[in-house]
Amino acid sequence: EDQVTQSPEALRLQEGESSSLNCSYTVSGLRGLFWYRQDPGKGPEFLFTLYSAGEEKEKERLKATLTKKESFLHITAPKPEDSATYLCAGRYNNNDMRFGAGTRLTVKP
Amino acid sequence: DTAVSQTPKYLVTQMGNDKSIKCEQNLGHDTMYWYKQDSKKFLKIMFSYNNKELIINETVPNRFSPKSPDKAHLNLHINSLELGDSAVYFCASSQPKVETQYFGPGTRLLVL
Repeated sequence: EDQVTQSPEALRLQEGESSSLNCSYTVSGLRGLFWYRQDPGKGPEFLFTLYSAGEEKEKERLKATLTKKESFLHITAPKPEDSATYLCAGRYNNNDMRFGAGTRLTVKP
Repeated sequence: DTAVSQTPKYLVTQMGNDKSIKCEQNLGHDTMYWYKQDSKKFLKIMFSYNNKELIINETVPNRFSPKSPDKAHLNLHINSLELGDSAVYFCASSQPKVETQYFGPGTRLLVL
């Protein structure tokens, strides 16, 4: 079965303290790697799609990168409003979307 | 202007009842989905559907059935509700070949 695994499960940062979230995935059949942000009580909000190793995408303080077996979400100088759960998902054949369990990020002022 | 909307937002019901959750998208997308997010926050796909094809996750009990009156709507019917069905259910939609999915706000189902 296709697997997407995220680490760490939870991450607490001070405001301004940069860090990275990890997502490892089953390589075979992957059509795209997605990052979403989910706030409490809300649906996931799309952030990035990555399709090939070496690809990078940026949005404000977030940068997503993709290697042959992992993806990273780098957060530079985070602010408290970046606190959320970040979900990684792999899209496989037959419209199968596999989500990781998420990393719950808390940024303290 | 909500892109993907769901009703109701909260649903509390008794075991054994039959209930429906409605989903509408105004994005003009061809494909819609239902996901279940359990207490551990794990999102699992239940169905994907467009006007040509329904793909069912094989782990979904046949008490769950999607029904699509038109391209903009995909409703979820659940028969004989069980305690384990308590979860948050999310609807999503996407355009073919773009693949990015846009999610609704979720329906919080509690079965007593």
